[in-house]
Amino acid sequence: QVQLQESGPGLVKPSETLSLTCAVSGYSISSGYYWGWIRQPPGKGLEWIGRIYHSGNTYYNPSLKSRVTISVDTSNNQFSLKLNSVTAADTAVYYCASGEGLVRFDYWGQGTLVTVSS
Amino acid sequence: QSALTQPPSASGSPGQSVTISCTGTSSDVGAYNFVSWYQQHPGRAPKLMIYEVNKRPSGVPDRFSGSKSGNAASLTVSGLQAEDEADYYCSSYAGGSNNVLFGGGTKLAVL
Repeated sequence: QVQLQESGPGLVKPSETLSLTCAVSGYSISSGYYWGWIRQPPGKGLEWIGRIYHSGNTYYNPSLKSRVTISVDTSNNQFSLKLNSVTAADTAVYYCASGEGLVRFDYWGQGTLVTVSS
Repeated sequence: QSALTQPPSASGSPGQSVTISCTGTSSDVGAYNFVSWYQQHPGRAPKLMIYEVNKRPSGVPDRFSGSKSGNAASLTVSGLQAEDEADYYCSSYAGGSNNVLFGGGTKLAVL
């Protein structure tokens, strides 16, 4: 059973970079699957941020592409999200998720709230 | 690309059936059979209920079913139970830039 756990700062200042890591257990990232990030502003719906394949190929939401980097660390079986130049609009619960298909997210982390505020 | 369109709310009595719609365009829902549905209870992570339009992951009751016609997809919950009360989100692949779209979510109430 794949298990995911997000970690990172819960508070980020405006204009700085949001950095989160998703630790994976129960499955080796290098074996396959897509590994992605999805966020949910408080009281609002889900927004796809991007995903990375175990090969390292990345795909990003066009609206965030200029600010997002997703990378994978196979040696530590984890993957990461960096979102730069953040504003209050980036305040959200950030989920890491994985699955076999393009919009098939079978496994989810519990989510971590990141607040952008000075 | 805009989010997919879902009704903000839906409701039904225990034992009844309810259908939630998800409307996209010919560039996303209408173009690919990559539509998923997620259930989210308050304070919890979403849970995959349907993938590739009408397939159920292991462990999801067969009371949940999905379908698609043209640019619209639907999730039907039959034999409503109290625990089905939750937010439901549809998602579709949008090709092109390998984008993934979500609907705005539907709050399902079991009366």
